[in-house]
Amino acid sequence: KQEVTQIPAALSVPEGENLVLNCSFTDSAIYNLQWFRQDPGKGLTSLLLIQSSQREQTSGRLNASLDKSSGRSTLYIAASQPGDSATYLCAAKTGANNLFFGTGTRLTVIP
Amino acid sequence: NAGVMQNPRHLVRRRGQEARLRCSPMKGHSHVYWYRQLPEEGLKFMVYLQKENIIDESGMPKERFSAEFPKEGPSILRIQQVVRGDSAAYFCASSPDRIKNNSPLHFGNGTRLTVT
Repeated sequence: KQEVTQIPAALSVPEGENLVLNCSFTDSAIYNLQWFRQDPGKGLTSLLLIQSSQREQTSGRLNASLDKSSGRSTLYIAASQPGDSATYLCAAKTGANNLFFGTGTRLTVIP
Repeated sequence: NAGVMQNPRHLVRRRGQEARLRCSPMKGHSHVYWYRQLPEEGLKFMVYLQKENIIDESGMPKERFSAEFPKEGPSILRIQQVVRGDSAAYFCASSPDRIKNNSPLHFGNGTRLTVT
């Protein structure tokens, strides 16, 4: 069974700093790896999706990488802003009907 | 194009009552997924439905929980005789008609169920 782990569980950084969030998964037979953002009391917003054949995806200040063989993905956030404060979730898709989620990293960007 | 719509946003039920959670997928989407997020835990898959069919309910408790996605209308997640342990955020997600393994899921804002 796929298990997804995210570390750290919480992270506080000063505004402007670059940061990396980590995600690891136990079963490398994935279709894709998706990063989401969740604000308190809200739903999930999809940030980036990396297909199994890809190594990375970029959107603005966000860059996500995928290393299937080692079961790892990272989300890099450049020049962090207070508006980036949220919980970031990664999810590995291992079938047509199931996403396995990590428990998230709660990010606080301090002005 | 409206996103995935879930209602109600918040639902309070006493132990033993029934909870009905509704989800309208994005326009053009006929695949619906329900996930549950317990406090301090990750989202857990519950059930996957297409119109009028349950495709995978491997994550749904065998008793008290049921789901449907009728030909017309929203998908419904029904919890009978709720207990305090059912308190959680329930999220619905949808995907397009054609299942593509590399298409992202679109999530609603969730229904927060509190059982008193």
